[in-house]
Amino acid sequence: DAGVIQSPRHEVTEMGQEVTLRCKPISGHDYLFWYRQTMMRGLELLIYFNNNVPIDDSGMPEDRFSAKMPNASFSTLKIQPSEPRDSAVYFCASSLAGGTYEQYFGPGTRLTVT
Amino acid sequence: AQSVTQPDIHITVSEGASLELRCNYSYGATPYLFWYVQSPGQGLQLLLKYFSGDTLVQGIKGFEAEFKRSQSSFNLRKPSVHWSDAAEYFCAVGDWGGGNKLTFGTGTQLKVEL
Repeated sequence: DAGVIQSPRHEVTEMGQEVTLRCKPISGHDYLFWYRQTMMRGLELLIYFNNNVPIDDSGMPEDRFSAKMPNASFSTLKIQPSEPRDSAVYFCASSLAGGTYEQYFGPGTRLTVT
Repeated sequence: AQSVTQPDIHITVSEGASLELRCNYSYGATPYLFWYVQSPGQGLQLLLKYFSGDTLVQGIKGFEAEFKRSQSSFNLRKPSVHWSDAAEYFCAVGDWGGGNKLTFGTGTQLKVEL
């Protein structure tokens, strides 16, 4: 398996622009998680899905953030409009239901908002 | 709610020396416990996990961890550190609320001196 795939790996955008981050989970995994990592706040869970349904979005910082999972193979995290404080590394992870909770992480998307 | 404490923010060891990274957790039942490693610019990689059975678990890259219920600890060890082990290490516990969620510690940054 190719593992969790994220694109783009790097994104530089200007404040006010829309940003879309993409994730392809490991085939067969039922859970998908979006995290944000910054020096100041560490690793934060933003939202997670089970069988394509959002279960807990309490970590989404503001209404500017939205996430979708239209099918089992694809998820997006969108920021509109973006702000400099959104600069961070965003990780996607997937996990198999009925297992022992281990999550497998993608390589991350480094977002810089200028 | 469960929590994970990694008391050491930074640790420096000499190459070839032994390593122990500390992790303490709070959890009401038998936990699922994990150690992840994050190399610079990379995603988190699962090193090892504990969910039942033998309290000494072996992982990849020569790492091992020991679950001690009486001390609520799950410390990571390696007998001889290599320069390539320099990275950030995260301890995590499965969320008692389910959903395959993990609660992560704040991480320990390991520096290896040659």
